[in-house]
Amino acid sequence: DAGITQSPRHKVTETGTPVTLRCHQTENHRYMYWYRQDPGHGLRLIHYSYGVKDTDKGEVSDGYSVSRSKTEDFLLTLESATSSQTSVYFCAISEGQVNTEAFFGQGTRLTVV
Amino acid sequence: KNQVEQSPQSLIILEGKNCTLQCNYTVSPFSNLRWYKQDTGRGPVSLTIMTFSENTKSNGRYTATLDADTKQSSLHITASQLSDSASYICVVSSDYGGSQGNLIFGKGTKLSVKP
Repeated sequence: DAGITQSPRHKVTETGTPVTLRCHQTENHRYMYWYRQDPGHGLRLIHYSYGVKDTDKGEVSDGYSVSRSKTEDFLLTLESATSSQTSVYFCAISEGQVNTEAFFGQGTRLTVV
Repeated sequence: KNQVEQSPQSLIILEGKNCTLQCNYTVSPFSNLRWYKQDTGRGPVSLTIMTFSENTKSNGRYTATLDADTKQSSLHITASQLSDSASYICVVSSDYGGSQGNLIFGKGTKLSVKP
């Protein structure tokens, strides 16, 4: 596996609580992404980063925020978790945006009760 | 909106048999097409990447084809093994994907290989 670590791997949280997921890479790749994977959908982009402190919204960004203070870390925060945010979250990294390989983390299974 | 459609949704085959998975896409502008394998509980892992000018690419027992004119791709698995049981995801990369991002994902085909 490429050097990507997601933490935690599993989390159960209550509706209305804040939650932060962490993605850590050791590859020094410029681009980092957060996706969610739900039954009946392909992976959908939440937010991505193209450098330290440089982030942009994806297709399903409502209710999520991100931060990237270091090249190696990309944090995804659910400000106030809702049941609709129950999902499997994947972090991905790539050197470039289009014609380079993308590597995925192992995923974080989040359940909001 | 850019879209990637895969068929079938699921497939069951016997060990040792061959199978072919299909992918149709409406993504513009097109940059490349990728096939990923996703084992249960794990992240997707790349099998092949094909650009516009490539129409076949192999990775061991996996062979992907691309017809850029008809916007179709297939993934052929030869002499299947139990370890091939996974979801196979077709992904099209675009120079401009908007809020979808540069990678447009299909929903995947879930393959089960039975002994």
